[in-house]
Amino acid sequence: DGGITQSPKYLFRKEGQNVTLSCEQNLNHDAMYWYRQDPGQGLRLIYYSQIVNDFQKGDIAEGYSVSREKKESFPLTVTSAQKNPTAFYLCASSVLGLGFYNEQFFGPGTRLTVL
Amino acid sequence: AQKITQTQPGMFVQEKEAVTLDCTYDTSDPSYGLFWYKQPSSGEMIFLIYQGSYDQQNATEGRYSLNFQKARKSANLVISASQLGDSAMYFCAMRGITGANSKLTFGKGITLSVRP
Repeated sequence: DGGITQSPKYLFRKEGQNVTLSCEQNLNHDAMYWYRQDPGQGLRLIYYSQIVNDFQKGDIAEGYSVSREKKESFPLTVTSAQKNPTAFYLCASSVLGLGFYNEQFFGPGTRLTVL
Repeated sequence: AQKITQTQPGMFVQEKEAVTLDCTYDTSDPSYGLFWYKQPSSGEMIFLIYQGSYDQQNATEGRYSLNFQKARKSANLVISASQLGDSAMYFCAMRGITGANSKLTFGKGITLSVRP
């Protein structure tokens, strides 16, 4: 079955530690995205990538880093510079086209708690 | 910049009844797309319906329909014959064509609870 996997589902880390969230897709999508969701809030874009070895900052990129070495994979590192990292993180992917209707498919999310 | 506004704090509906979830938007782009997503308590985002700004007819997908009023800049989601499984958060989102507007912008969401 095609889809997006994120691991782990729950992640606990001590303050000051870097942590990497995994995102893998087998939909053959060119574009991949990372969003952050805080309680009672909508999604905010952290980073996105439209092609391998290239990525762009979203609205809240500070304290995060990404890589895109393979089309299928787009890991997100939450660094110690991120002041409030506890949140729900969602990865998404889509085809790349000129139209508006590029539906984004989402993974199940990773809930990160920094102690 | 583009903006999505969802102000209903929480909605309750009786099973089998219809419910409307409100969404208003603001953008300077001449063309744009509007989306609705459902987020159950498990957390994943599920795409429900899409409306293009130049589509002549309101979008429908099964029990979901989008009441698109372009002049009022509103894109309300209508769920007919509500089911218990419809209890979730619902997000309205949009994408424009220029620069930063070409990325998907989400509203803060609306919580829907379906009562048996």
